[in-house]
Amino acid sequence: QVQLVQSGGGVVQPGGSLRLSCAASGFRFSDRVMQWVRQAPGKGLEWVALIQRDGSDQYYADSVQGRFTISRDLSKNTLYLAMNGLRPEDTAVYYCARGAGWVVDFWGQGTLVTVSS
Amino acid sequence: EIVLTQSPGTLSLSPGETATLSCRATQTVGNNYLAWHQQKPGQAPRLVIYTTSHRASGIPDRFSGSGSGTDFTLTISRLEPEDFAVYYCQQHAYAPLTFGGGTRVEMK
Repeated sequence: QVQLVQSGGGVVQPGGSLRLSCAASGFRFSDRVMQWVRQAPGKGLEWVALIQRDGSDQYYADSVQGRFTISRDLSKNTLYLAMNGLRPEDTAVYYCARGAGWVVDFWGQGTLVTVSS
Repeated sequence: EIVLTQSPGTLSLSPGETATLSCRATQTVGNNYLAWHQQKPGQAPRLVIYTTSHRASGIPDRFSGSGSGTDFTLTISRLEPEDFAVYYCQQHAYAPLTFGGGTRVEMK
């Protein structure tokens, strides 16, 4: 069955860095666009980033452009989100998500990132 | 960037009733690439509808989507207890992909 197992969340100080991982199984990872979506506490969903199937192109929300980097390792079936220059407003549950085209058709369980001093 | 506005913010209904949720875009959504996701408390979202009217795998036929251009609707007929949740629309046509603010369907 399809699984997206996330890791790497935690507490980090403002200005700090963190890298999230998402290990995929149960489907052909290289066939799917992958994304990150986040949800601040008590708020709605906010799209963060998308990476094409072969990793050739990436797209970002304006709010994270230049600070976050989405990448994938096809040999490890793993998606990453490197986050630098973290701000308190980046505090959220981050979801790894599989795409069918650009629509999210399967969501990971989410991992909490807290940016606080 | 396409901004999606959902209405109403909250719908209070009883089981067996019909829920009608609206999602309006600030510009035409190409190919009607508009999806709906359901989220229950403490859970990850789940895809319900994609490309306006296509039900995702395992979604019962009481869920239906319609619309085109800038105006889209999710209809949930004969509400079941497990349908009470927050629903988000998402356009999957253009980057940056965007979500609406959500509609909460609560039990009256």
